[in-house]
Amino acid sequence: SQQGEEDPQALSIQEGENATMNCSYKTSINNLQWYRQNSGRGLVHLILIRSNEREKHSGRLRVTLDTSKKSSSLLITASRAADTASYFCATDDLNAGKSTFGDGTTLTVKP
Amino acid sequence: ETGVTQSPTHLIKTRGQQVTLRCSSQSGHNTVSWYQQALGQGPQFIFQYYREEENGRGNFPPRFSGLQFPNYSSELNVNALELDDSALYLCASSQGEEETQYFGPGTRLLVL
Repeated sequence: SQQGEEDPQALSIQEGENATMNCSYKTSINNLQWYRQNSGRGLVHLILIRSNEREKHSGRLRVTLDTSKKSSSLLITASRAADTASYFCATDDLNAGKSTFGDGTTLTVKP
Repeated sequence: ETGVTQSPTHLIKTRGQQVTLRCSSQSGHNTVSWYQQALGQGPQFIFQYYREEENGRGNFPPRFSGLQFPNYSSELNVNALELDDSALYLCASSQGEEETQYFGPGTRLLVL
């Protein structure tokens, strides 16, 4: 079973709107990362947030992490059609050299 | 472009055959991880190699094996292919086992 679960599974918005995706996980982590994937191609790393951080920004991206609730959120502001993709969160477990991914949120941004 | 390359890009095999997938890590990276991604799902961790040694393995049977070379490139071997092995296989490289991973474009394997 997956460690991370993204919510919602699918999200459709208009260009210019904000998109928020959530991720929940089960075990203690070192850090959490968000990735984007276009049409079954390779994953593009978006942002890494460490377990001792609460919020991080990168351009139009804002990520929060709440370790007490074992959850994270990714906010994309002023969305563009080019943001259409699947978004995955991945947790890096404390005791294993691996990343555990959820099944992703499919975002569609309509022009 | 991440600097991580994978070959081949696509592959068709029949059940029972063996396959070798290759990955060249980004310059300066000593860690390679392999993932299997079935259609509509997130990537599943297969194993990780750090400085030529296996450093963690996911829930995959022994017919999935790997290798990392002194130049830190890596191979994924799958024996006795099954239909359910059809998936996108992704490798990711990083500098150290806990740092940001950079993914290659993947190899799409179809088992008939």
